[in-house]
Amino acid sequence: EAQVTQNPRYLITVTGKKLTVTCSQNMNHEYMSWYRQDPGLGLRQIYYSMNVEVTDKGDVPEGYKVSRKEKRNFPLILESPSPNQTSLYFCASSPPQPGLAAEQFFGPGTRLTVL
Amino acid sequence: DQQVKQNSPSLSVQEGRISILNCDYTNSMFDYFLWYKKYPAEGPTFLISISSIKDKNEDGRFTVFLNKSAKHLSLHIVPSQPGDSAVYFCAASDTGTASKLTFGTGTRLQVTL
Repeated sequence: EAQVTQNPRYLITVTGKKLTVTCSQNMNHEYMSWYRQDPGLGLRQIYYSMNVEVTDKGDVPEGYKVSRKEKRNFPLILESPSPNQTSLYFCASSPPQPGLAAEQFFGPGTRLTVL
Repeated sequence: DQQVKQNSPSLSVQEGRISILNCDYTNSMFDYFLWYKKYPAEGPTFLISISSIKDKNEDGRFTVFLNKSAKHLSLHIVPSQPGDSAVYFCAASDTGTASKLTFGTGTRLQVTL
């Protein structure tokens, strides 16, 4: 089954404790992206990657890191989480065709709470 | 600065009637628009899209209309069904940077019996 998987689905942590949210896709997509969803703000892009070893900042990159060492994986790293990073996070992937690249496949989401 | 706006946070429609969800944008560089549907505890799923060279795109019960001069698009669902109850996000892209989607804040649609 073609899918984007994220782990963990739920995470409660404390301020300053480094964490990683994993994202993996089995569709051989070049493009991957991370979003956060907050009430009243919709989905905002954190980082995206056009291909292996190619990453770039989205609209809200502060406090986050990413890496793309393999095509299928795109982990999101919070080196020192803070309470304002409490949010619902989505990973997405898409093929590279112009236009179609915007039709992204989303993972199920990771709900993160930072105390 | 919200470049894609969905001014109605929620909408309630009776089953069988038409649902109309609206979206406005401010960035004239956007030339590709999409609607995503999101159920609770799931990721958004792609619903329908439209390129700026068109003013209408239809897929079954779903039709998206684009008015470039007004920088406005709308999603029509006819007839509405209870399974359509979800949050709908409008999104826009400049196909020159097709990797980057800008989303609206979402509209929660409730289809009642």
